[in-house]
Amino acid sequence: DTGVSQDPRHKITKRGQNVTFRCDPISEHNRLYWYRQTLGQGPEFLTYFQNEAQLEKSRLLSDRFSAERPKGSFSTLEIQRTEQGDSAMYLCASSFRGGPDSPLHFGNGTRLTVT
Amino acid sequence: AQTVTQSQPEMSVQEAETVTLSCTYDTSESDYYLFWYKQPPSRQMILVIRQEAYKQQNATENRFSVNFQKAAKSFSLKISDSQLGDAAMYFCAYRSADFGNEKLTFGTGTRLTIIP
Repeated sequence: DTGVSQDPRHKITKRGQNVTFRCDPISEHNRLYWYRQTLGQGPEFLTYFQNEAQLEKSRLLSDRFSAERPKGSFSTLEIQRTEQGDSAMYLCASSFRGGPDSPLHFGNGTRLTVT
Repeated sequence: AQTVTQSQPEMSVQEAETVTLSCTYDTSESDYYLFWYKQPPSRQMILVIRQEAYKQQNATENRFSVNFQKAAKSFSLKISDSQLGDAAMYFCAYRSADFGNEKLTFGTGTRLTIIP
């Protein structure tokens, strides 16, 4: 169990550029979650996957955001035409199965800065 | 929609003393789960303790315990014998008991400082 891995750890980009983040969950975890955390706030839910199926998307996830989990293993989160308001920490988490009895294991996050 | 409120942006405590972090929430659901997560400077969120709303007994995990008051919609975290490693941001979170509802709703956090 190597934990949830996120790459990159930091990303600085200019407004209008596209960025992509990767999350590798704990192996055999079928649930994968993305959260966004802005400065001074708690994490906010963005979306989650059960295996390769994206089952829920928050209204926070505008059409500039897209998440995939093509083979039910790693996931990518892409932000197109970045805006300064996208600057935040993007957290990934995984769990063995759904439900509140299955704890979430979080990664260290990707900190995005849009200049 | 559920909301979670943490009214203490910062708290401090002397090492080895006890500190209580406050959390209130609002929901119309009768069955749900409440959590406390710790986020140290390393940024990784770590589950500290979990409480099921239908259980009246307060959860405990070693030095960490909660005071769950369902009628008051209050869920405070007590840390006993505070240690330097307890320094972190602490987030209270809510989750519906509905199996299909996977979303965690977090509060804004309390930064805990341990004074040596």
